[in-house]
Amino acid sequence: EAGVAQSPRYKIIEKRQSVAFWCNPISGHATLYWYQQILGQGPKLLIQFQNNGVVDDSQLPKDRFSAERLKGVDSTLKIQPAKLEDSAVYLCASSLIRGGLEAFFGQGTRLTVV
Amino acid sequence: KQEVTQIPAALSVPEGENLVLNCSFTDSAIYNLQWFRQDPGKGLTSLLLIQSSQREQTSGRLNASLDKSSGRSTLYIAASQPGDSATYLCAVESVPNNAGNMLTFGGGTRLMVKP
Repeated sequence: EAGVAQSPRYKIIEKRQSVAFWCNPISGHATLYWYQQILGQGPKLLIQFQNNGVVDDSQLPKDRFSAERLKGVDSTLKIQPAKLEDSAVYLCASSLIRGGLEAFFGQGTRLTVV
Repeated sequence: KQEVTQIPAALSVPEGENLVLNCSFTDSAIYNLQWFRQDPGKGLTSLLLIQSSQREQTSGRLNASLDKSSGRSTLYIAASQPGDSATYLCAVESVPNNAGNMLTFGGGTRLMVKP
């Protein structure tokens, strides 16, 4: 079974530029999460989708971050414009359904904003 | 709001020691608790998943326990090896008010096992 795929693996941009990350969850997984992990900290949930609907985006900085999951499969996370404090690893995860099942994570995208 | 805390933040032990990592959470209304391993520059690898109705799960040298009423979980690693060196994260899946399930992480324990 293929795992959660993310791209790119690494990205370096200048502040005020825009960037987009892509995630392909495990086939059949209805729930998709985007997390931000700052160095030395645990992952922080940015947004959670159930199929193509947003379940929770309360911690997403909506003035600069946006995410979509068209057709309930792949998802993209965008930052525009980027700030220095956005430097982090962005992790995508998926699970079959909500409630009680294992979440699987991708390798992450390491973003450096200079 | 669910909060997850892991103690200690860092741990260094000699090879062969048995060790315990601790995780506590504030809201006991959880679906499950999951322990992950994260190697530097890598994503998260799931180690053990404990459903809210379970007390413990075992996989090889790893044993995780869950005491939902007290909001605590421990990850026990037997006969530690240098290859166990990594960051260990616990996460709880809970149901906050009027929202879908949330997977909330602790800050992690950075483990170093010295040969």
